[in-house]
Amino acid sequence: QKEVEQNSGPLSVPEGAIASLNCTYSDRGSQSFFWYRQYSGKSPELIMSIYSNGDKEDGRFTAQLNKASQYVSLLIRDSQPSDSATYLCAVNPGRRGGSEKLVFGKGTKLTVNP
Amino acid sequence: EAQVTQNPRYLITVTGKKLTVTCSQNMNHEYMSWYRQDPGLGLRQIYYSMNVEVTDKGDVPEGYKVSRKEKRNFPLILESPSPNQTSLYFCASSAIMQPQHFGDGTRLSIL
Repeated sequence: QKEVEQNSGPLSVPEGAIASLNCTYSDRGSQSFFWYRQYSGKSPELIMSIYSNGDKEDGRFTAQLNKASQYVSLLIRDSQPSDSATYLCAVNPGRRGGSEKLVFGKGTKLTVNP
Repeated sequence: EAQVTQNPRYLITVTGKKLTVTCSQNMNHEYMSWYRQDPGLGLRQIYYSMNVEVTDKGDVPEGYKVSRKEKRNFPLILESPSPNQTSLYFCASSAIMQPQHFGDGTRLSIL
């Protein structure tokens, strides 16, 4: 059974702080990794995708991937109250890149306090 | 506007009454998927399709059927719904080697 594990949370940070969200996965052959944000009652919304080891930055968001450690993380700098949501880590366990078959973690709920 | 459209958005029905949840995308995407989301269990893939007439089981396919006769449509069929299929359902689509984009969801209650 391919698994994706996330910090159970909830995670609470003050406005302006850095929020750090972590995810580990069991299938060493996984090639594609995604972070989604989901507001309560809404659909998941893609924030970042990452396919290679290292860091990938997009605005206030940085995704980090370490395939040797089977670990992927998301950093949110200068956290805003509007970042309060559940963050979902998703992994494609297939041997080739892409996202046709995703395994999701259970999510980490983030609250940013004004 | 690029979108994934699910219908209905909400449905309350009874055990055993066949139902279909439709999903349509206007982005000419090859890949389409169905997920269910349950408290404490997260998002789990039911079925996915990599192109017309090509479908495969996800992690929780029991009790569901799908078909992909046209590229834009990927309906989810519950032939004999049961209360344990009460859930929030999402359809998603993507181009090859691209991230999935989700529809707005269908909240299904089976009494």
